[in-house]
Amino acid sequence: NAGVTQTPKFQVLKTGQSMTLQCAQDMNHNSMYWYRQDPGMGLRLIYYSASEGTTDKGEVPNGYNVSRLNKREFSLRLESAAPSQTSVYFCASNRAGYNEQFFGPGTRLTVL
Amino acid sequence: SQQGEEDPQALSIQEGENATMNCSYKTSINNLQWYRQNSGRGLVHLILIRSNEREKHSGRLRVTLDTSKKSSSLLITASRAADTASYFCASSDRGSTLGRLYFGRGTQLTVWP
Repeated sequence: NAGVTQTPKFQVLKTGQSMTLQCAQDMNHNSMYWYRQDPGMGLRLIYYSASEGTTDKGEVPNGYNVSRLNKREFSLRLESAAPSQTSVYFCASNRAGYNEQFFGPGTRLTVL
Repeated sequence: SQQGEEDPQALSIQEGENATMNCSYKTSINNLQWYRQNSGRGLVHLILIRSNEREKHSGRLRVTLDTSKKSSSLLITASRAADTASYFCASSDRGSTLGRLYFGRGTQLTVWP
């Protein structure tokens, strides 16, 4: 039981490049979330998916897109990376009706 | 923004001392949770307190909730060097069925041996 896994662990991009951050969970959770963490800002929600086939915007969705590929996988795409998107990105999941969230180890992204 | 606020931003204590962190939030809540984050790692859930509870214990952790003041506190008793981490509160809005949480900015706790 791996919990929540994220790939890659580290990534460096140039401004304007695109990439997809991958997240998968093996706990049969319905809901999945993408956060970014910046120094002094705590965690801010980018997008979330309450169930397979649905996605909703969080606090800071601009510049990002998401895909809930199936119940296990929830990906985050940066179409044209900007230096302001330099951050640590966390994926999380939880069961329907349970608020406790389980987090992945994070992806450290630097945009030059 | 619906983010909460933790206080203090940083706390430095000796092993064996107690550590108290405070959290304020902005909306009516279903519950409030505390998470821990070790350096370079993801967050780990510590404890959840529901809106109709005033105090909850789990091992060396004690959480209180005051809904009239929209505040919560986390007490870690008899701190150990291994408790060094960042601690975040997260609130779940009343009426939200989507499990969405609003995180505070965190308290960085350093426990010196």
